[in-house]
Amino acid sequence: DTGVSQNPRHKITKRGQNVTFRCDPISEHNRLYWYRQTLGQGPEFLTYFQNEAQLEKSRLLSDRFSAERPKGSFSTLEIQRTEQGDSAMYLCASSFGDRGSGNTIYFGEGSWLTVV
Amino acid sequence: SQQGEEDPQALSIQEGENATMNCSYKTSINNLQWYRQNSGRGLVHLILIRSNEREKHSGRLRVTLDTSKKSSSLLITASRAADTASYFCATASSGGSYIPTFGRGTSLIVHP
Repeated sequence: DTGVSQNPRHKITKRGQNVTFRCDPISEHNRLYWYRQTLGQGPEFLTYFQNEAQLEKSRLLSDRFSAERPKGSFSTLEIQRTEQGDSAMYLCASSFGDRGSGNTIYFGEGSWLTVV
Repeated sequence: SQQGEEDPQALSIQEGENATMNCSYKTSINNLQWYRQNSGRGLVHLILIRSNEREKHSGRLRVTLDTSKKSSSLLITASRAADTASYFCATASSGGSYIPTFGRGTSLIVHP
């Protein structure tokens, strides 16, 4: 069990460019979450997968954001046409359980995005 | 919107003292989790307490849950400088997808 892994850890990009973050959850975890966190705030929910199905998306997830989990294992979060307001830490988390159960959720170290 | 809110926003204590942080929430929950976050790092899970539990311990950590008051507390006993971090509570509402919702956190500074 190597924990939740996120890449890259840091990304600096110019406004208007696209960026993609990858998350490898803990093996055998069927649930995967993406959160965004800005300085001085708590993590804000973006989206959630149960296996390969994207079951919930926050209103924070604008049309420029897309997340996938094609085989129910790793996930990618892509931001198109980045804006300075997208600068934040993007956190991935995973857990194991049925849709109707609440279990411990484990977080990765996060991916820092700076849009200049 | 944020379901849980931690109090106080900031706490400064001396090494060896106890630190108490509180979390209040608005709707019925399935469980409540406490996390620690060091500056610039990811969140580390501390304790999960379910709605039918009232108290849990883990080492120097004690968590209580009062569902009638919709509140929880995290007590760190005999604090150490290494406990300096932000602490967050995350609530998972019952009857939904149990997606944890975080508050703004309590920033704890433990002076050596």
